[in-house]
Amino acid sequence: AQSVTQLGSHVSVSEGALVLLRCNYSSSVPPYLFWYVQYPNQGLQLLLKYTSAATLVKGINGFEAEFKKSETSFHLTKPSAHMSDAAEYFCAVSDLGDDKIIFGKGTRLHILP
Amino acid sequence: DAGITQSPRYKITETGRQVTLMCHQTWSHSYMFWYRQDLGHGLRLIYYSAAADITDKGEVPDGYVVSRSKTENFPLTLESATRSQTSVYFCASRGQRSSYEQYFGPGTRLTVT
Repeated sequence: AQSVTQLGSHVSVSEGALVLLRCNYSSSVPPYLFWYVQYPNQGLQLLLKYTSAATLVKGINGFEAEFKKSETSFHLTKPSAHMSDAAEYFCAVSDLGDDKIIFGKGTRLHILP
Repeated sequence: DAGITQSPRYKITETGRQVTLMCHQTWSHSYMFWYRQDLGHGLRLIYYSAAADITDKGEVPDGYVVSRSKTENFPLTLESATRSQTSVYFCASRGQRSSYEQYFGPGTRLTVT
């Protein structure tokens, strides 16, 4: 069965520093991959998605993620953190033909002034 | 464009009572999903529906009942609420021809006393 691992339940970065949130999936076949963001007391919002087109995917709010098949990874990055990026981030995966999405346990991003 | 809405947003109920959480979407999406979010567990799928009158179990269906008589509505019922069902519940939907990304409602925070 497909699974998703997010390394680090909490990540802290200084404002203006690089944001790197790690995600690894288990499938040997390239799946659909997603990053979602959740702000306090809100639902999840789609940041970006990989659907077998370009391996470098750009999303909203300056985030991007790179699909690396050899590493089964889909890490999320942003060159310069902003205070408004403080939120919880979820990596998710779906196999082709599967109706469901499997979510990682989430990484809470803290931005230090 | 209302998108996807959930009601109520907050609910407190007593152990043993029946509770129904409502989900409504205006996109005519085929698929709808119910998740619960708990600390340390991320999002776990309770039930999902591929179309009206078609539902299927997710990862944690015990104690929950769903129905889908209309495409736009997907209510979730806790037949006899237990304290372990205290959680934040999210409804989501996606289109038939989408690349599998789901769109989330704002959530319902349920407390069972």
